[in-house]
Amino acid sequence: QSALTQPASVSGSPGQSITISCTGTSGDIDVYNYISWYQQHPGKAPKLMICEVSNRPSGVSNRFSGSKSGNTASLTISGLQTEDEADYYCFSYTASSTYVFGTGTKVTVL
Amino acid sequence: VQLVQSGAELKKPGESLKISCKGSGYSFTTYWIGWVRQMPGKDLEFVGIIYPGDSNTRYSPSFQGQVTISADKSTNTAYLQWNSLKASDTAMYYCATHEYSKAYFDYWGQGTLLTVSS
Repeated sequence: QSALTQPASVSGSPGQSITISCTGTSGDIDVYNYISWYQQHPGKAPKLMICEVSNRPSGVSNRFSGSKSGNTASLTISGLQTEDEADYYCFSYTASSTYVFGTGTKVTVL
Repeated sequence: VQLVQSGAELKKPGESLKISCKGSGYSFTTYWIGWVRQMPGKDLEFVGIIYPGDSNTRYSPSFQGQVTISADKSTNTAYLQWNSLKASDTAMYYCATHEYSKAYFDYWGQGTLLTVSS
């Protein structure tokens, strides 16, 4: 099972919106709506930001939103803030009944 | 829900090891517990997952045969085990959990740092 493909880095200025893509292979994103996104600050455990493509867990800012089209999922951060600077990973259930992470995207707030 | 992992380990190549993840605040047997590896400066990698209710275990193809995942319902603890460590096993290992019907990890442990060095 190959890792899902994400851009290595995305940057934006405070207040801007950015979008991180996550492209799968056959049998993951294209088949299932079990796509989630995690934020990880240096030295910390990952934190769930989006589940089931577009659902925000309680306590997560509404500046974070998710979507999916075909075999590509996306995470959009609107109104970018300095505390959003972190690594972001997509995560999907797969046809082999396991899971796979994306390659990770470093978000930089300019 | 809380997951508490065992402490950092320093081991030599060829040694065996079992690290733990103790769950509390929820029904241990009705949540999946998974393990995630993060090598130094690298990405998150899914290792495998176990359902303590019936010990159903699934591994990422990359880790199949390299590690063993188990769970003890009597102590609400999941384990990740190696029989013969390699330097390339050096990483932070996280456990994480989700309800049976879900497919995303909403609770995470604090991580266990494993260093394998001669």
